[in-house]
Amino acid sequence: GAVVSQHPSWVICKSGTSVKIECRSLDFQATTMFWYRQFPKQSLMLMATSNEGSKATYEQGVEKDKFLINHASLTLSTLTVTSAHPEDSSFYICSARKVGTDTQYFGPGTRLTVL
Amino acid sequence: GQQLNQSPQSMFIQEGEDVSMNCTSSSIFNTWLWYKQDPGEGPVLLIALYKAGELTSNGRLTAQFGITRKDSFLNISASIPSDVGIYFCAGYPGGGADGLTFGKGTHLIIQP
Repeated sequence: GAVVSQHPSWVICKSGTSVKIECRSLDFQATTMFWYRQFPKQSLMLMATSNEGSKATYEQGVEKDKFLINHASLTLSTLTVTSAHPEDSSFYICSARKVGTDTQYFGPGTRLTVL
Repeated sequence: GQQLNQSPQSMFIQEGEDVSMNCTSSSIFNTWLWYKQDPGEGPVLLIALYKAGELTSNGRLTAQFGITRKDSFLNISASIPSDVGIYFCAGYPGGGADGLTFGKGTHLIIQP
């Protein structure tokens, strides 16, 4: 149990376009999901906390108008990278916290490449 | 923000050897977690520690939550080739409602 999926697993887009990444908890409910970004050979950095039915909370330095987060249900959160630029190229990983626990389960990540 | 200092940055060992890595922080953490990440994949939880002094095992892995709540270590005994990967410590500096703070990772390389 406690499986988290992400879609797509990888995406290549042109500079200036928008890309949507989905994060789903497949077999449990998650009132809170988190979005992380990982650059090559670096650690995971928290971007934002996504709460079901409310606005996301963004970490310092993360532009909320550029990284739009929607958490419409207890099993789905989406991250939209708007007007993507090459510097947005990264590995985006979501996690979902199982209701009633502190444990976060991570998705397999989405590799975004912006040309 | 909170920072976790993880060491060593990388380890080159022979198959069968034991491995030890640790994390320290300048402030108290209420939870310590150890994850393994394979290339191109998300982190997979190995061990979760919730109380100071707690010592927990998961197969050949053993981790401890330091008494001061500012450190944790992970040991791997009798390493095998599939142990190769990057190991991250992570924790919640507060009450658990926040996202995780990650260490910079330990890259484990096993030489045959």
